[in-house]
Amino acid sequence: ETGVTQSPTHLIKTRGQQVTLRCSSQSGHNTVSWYQQALGQGPQFIFQYYREEENGRGNFPPRFSGLQFPNYSSELNVNALELDDSALYLCASSSGQGRTYQETQYFGPGTRLLVL
Amino acid sequence: ILNVEQSPQSLHVQEGDSTNFTCSFPSSNFYALHWYRWETAKSPEALFVMTLNGDEKKKGRISATLNTKEGYSYLYIKGSQPEDSATYLCAPGGSARQLTFGSGTQLTVLP
Repeated sequence: ETGVTQSPTHLIKTRGQQVTLRCSSQSGHNTVSWYQQALGQGPQFIFQYYREEENGRGNFPPRFSGLQFPNYSSELNVNALELDDSALYLCASSSGQGRTYQETQYFGPGTRLLVL
Repeated sequence: ILNVEQSPQSLHVQEGDSTNFTCSFPSSNFYALHWYRWETAKSPEALFVMTLNGDEKKKGRISATLNTKEGYSYLYIKGSQPEDSATYLCAPGGSARQLTFGSGTQLTVLP
C-alpha cells in the first residue's frame, strides 16, 4: 500500500508568482484535504476535494485553488504569491465513506514553500 | 472557526517518566476528536479518533481520554522513550468536513 506523496519537497518563489503543488493520495482514498502550516501554528484547513469536486473550504482567499483528478491525485494552486504564503503545505487523504468527521486522514510529508 | 488550545506548548521529560497533556475545544457541536503525532521531518501520524464522551483509547504506551461535556481530552504517555519525542496535535473534526488543529505540544524525551 503506497502512502501519501507530495511534490516538490521544497520550493522557492518570488512575490507575485504562481505555484502548483501536487499530492498523490493513498491507494483506495477518494478524498484529499489541503492544509497550510505556518511557523509555530497547527495546520490550517484550506479545502477538501471529494470525487473531483470541492467539498469544503477554510478561510483562504480565492487565489488558493485546487483540482482533483480522476485518479484522485490533487493539485493546490496559489496565484499572486505573498510573503505570508511561506509555509509548509500538507495534503491528507481519506477514504470518504461519508462520516468525514470520524475518518482518519493520512498525511503526506509536505511541501515547504518560501516566498521571497 | 473553532478555538482549540493545547497545553503545555512544550515540555521536556526524562526517559522513563510518564507525562500527559491537554487539548481543550468547544463542547458545543462536537463530532469527533483526532490526535496525531508528528515527528520532525516525517508526516503527521494518526493516533486516535474519539467520538463518545468518556471514550478511552490506548495504543501501546499511549492512551487518551475524552470529555465532550466539558470540552477536553488528555493524552498520556507511560514510561516515555526518546522515540516518543514529537509534536502531538489534537484536532476536533466537525460537520464542515475539516479538522481544526491546535498548535500542538512539543515533547522532548531526554535519555
